[in-house]
Amino acid sequence: NAGVMQNPRHLVRRRGQEARLRCSPMKGHSHVYWYRQLPEEGLKFMVYLQKENIIDESGMPKERFSAEFPKEGPSILRIQQVVRGDSAAYFCASSLTRDTDTQYFGPGTRLTVL
Amino acid sequence: GQQLNQSPQSMFIQEGEDVSMNCTSSSIFNTWLWYKQDPGEGPVLLIALYKAGELTSNGRLTAQFGITRKDSFLNISASIPSDVGIYFCAGQTNAGKSTFGDGTTLTVKP
Repeated sequence: NAGVMQNPRHLVRRRGQEARLRCSPMKGHSHVYWYRQLPEEGLKFMVYLQKENIIDESGMPKERFSAEFPKEGPSILRIQQVVRGDSAAYFCASSLTRDTDTQYFGPGTRLTVL
Repeated sequence: GQQLNQSPQSMFIQEGEDVSMNCTSSSIFNTWLWYKQDPGEGPVLLIALYKAGELTSNGRLTAQFGITRKDSFLNISASIPSDVGIYFCAGQTNAGKSTFGDGTTLTVKP
């Protein structure tokens, strides 16, 4: 059973460009969570999605950031017009159910904005 | 918002020593989780705790879910070099999202 997959593992963008981060959850999991991690800090919740629905986006910046989890295909975290402060590791996690079910994390995408 | 206070921030120990780290919160969580993160990788789940007062072991690791649901500790016995890494606690509510501590960086000297 393959784990959570994320790609790319590393992404370099210049200021003003768009970044698209992909996450394929574990097989059978329909709940996806995105977290951001700055150096030497813990993970900070961004958004929680279930197939085709955004359940909780309380951790998402109001502008430039969006997320989707279509019926078919991976979940996408999209950052428009990136700025240097967007440089971080972005992790995706998936779970089988919502409630208190365990979230399993992917290896992350390290975004560097030049 | 919910916050977790994790301590200590870092630890330097000799191989074979025992380690203890803990997390406290002003909020109640339904689930406490302990993760380990190696450089360049995502967090890997070590132990999950679902009931207040629960004490769970996984090999040399032992964790407990506090009675008040506001704290948890993780113990590592007889540390070995591969225990090196960053350990995170996380609290989870039934709303789905997890709140993470800022981590404990463990260094083990052979």
